Amino acid sequence: AQSVTQPDIHITVSEGASLELRCNYSYGATPYLFWYVQSPGQGLQLLLKYFSGDTLVQGIKGFEAEFKRSQSSFNLRKPSVHWSDAAEYFCAVGAGQAGTALIFGKGTTLSVSS
Amino acid sequence: NAGVTQTPKFQVLKTGQSMTLQCAQDMNHEYMSWYRQDPGMGLRLIHYSVGAGITDQGEVPNGYNVSRSTTEDFPLRLLSAAPSQTSVYFCASKAEGRSDTQYFGPGTRLTVL
Repeated sequence: AQSVTQPDIHITVSEGASLELRCNYSYGATPYLFWYVQSPGQGLQLLLKYFSGDTLVQGIKGFEAEFKRSQSSFNLRKPSVHWSDAAEYFCAVGAGQAGTALIFGKGTTLSVSS
Repeated sequence: NAGVTQTPKFQVLKTGQSMTLQCAQDMNHEYMSWYRQDPGMGLRLIHYSVGAGITDQGEVPNGYNVSRSTTEDFPLRLLSAAPSQTSVYFCASKAEGRSDTQYFGPGTRLTVL
């Protein structure tokens, strides 16, 4: 069965420092992978997605993620964090027929300190 | 386009009451799905549909019913609400291609007393 693991429940990063959020997946075939962000009380915003091709994917707001098949990972990175990046981040894998729906990880809450 | 809309935004129910959460999309998407979000649990798939008349269960289907009579609408029914169903519910839709993006509605916050 498909599953997604986000090992870090909560991470605190200083403003201006680099960020890496970890995501590991379990999926039998080539996975379609996503990162979403959710600010408090808000809905979900897609940061980036991976389907095929280049394993380094660029997203919005300066985020990028690298797909590593050998490690079953899809870690999210940002070189310099801003206070406005404080939010909850979810990794997800497409599941079902043609990726009908998503299987999400439990999320990582990012706090940004000044 | 309005995208994915959900009504109501907030709802309080008593245990045993029934209600329907509404979800509609105007993008002519074939695929629609329902998720619930609970603290520390992420989003979990309840039910999904690949087209009018076709639905299937997700990770946590118990206590919920769905039907899909039109492409646009995908209502979620709670027949007898329980406190364990207190959650935020999100509806989503996407086109049929695997590379197509899933679009989420703004959510419904449900409290069952």
